Amino acid sequence: QVQLQESGPGLVKPSQTLSLTCTVSGGSISSVGYYWSWIRQHPGKGLEWIGYIYHSGSTYYNPSLKSRVIISVDRSENRFSLRLSSVTAADTAVYYCARLESSGWREVYFDYWGQGSLVTVSS
Amino acid sequence: QSALTQPASVSGSPGQSITISCTGTSSDVGSYDLVSWYQQHPGKAPKVMIYGVSKRPSGVSNRFSGSKSGNTASLTISGLQAEDEADYYCCSYAGGSTLVFGGGTKLTVL
Repeated sequence: QVQLQESGPGLVKPSQTLSLTCTVSGGSISSVGYYWSWIRQHPGKGLEWIGYIYHSGSTYYNPSLKSRVIISVDRSENRFSLRLSSVTAADTAVYYCARLESSGWREVYFDYWGQGSLVTVSS
Repeated sequence: QSALTQPASVSGSPGQSITISCTGTSSDVGSYDLVSWYQQHPGKAPKVMIYGVSKRPSGVSNRFSGSKSGNTASLTISGLQAEDEADYYCCSYAGGSTLVFGGGTKLTVL
């Protein structure tokens, strides 16, 4: 059973960089056909796809966040990370990591999710 | 890239059927059979209920079904149960290796 666990600071100051890590257990981050993703949910609002990374390092980002987002992967530690720069209060949200099943892009869906990590942007 | 359009809320009585719509464009829902649906209970992570428009993951009740017509996908829940009360989100591949979610629908079981 694949499990994902987010970790990182729960409070970030405005203009600084938000950094979160997702540790994967029960499966390899290098498995073929899976992309490792970040999704966020503003308080009381809907889900927003941030981006995802393949174990090779290929990344794909939401165009609306692309200029501020970097997703990276550490295959040796079986984890991947999110960095979001120049944060404002509008970036306050629950951040989820999730595995995207792609099966060669014949199927595309998030099959495993972390529990979520609330990040508040405030001075 | 705009969010897919879902009704803010739907409701139904136990045993009834409800349908939640998810309207996109010819660039996302209309172009790809890659729509998935997620159920989210308060304080919990989302759970996939439908993928590939109409496929159910192992373990998901067959009371959940999905379909698509043109730029609109739909999730139908039959035989409503109290435990189905939750928020539901659709998600579609939008080309260019991007994804887009719907705004979410709150299902109330009366």
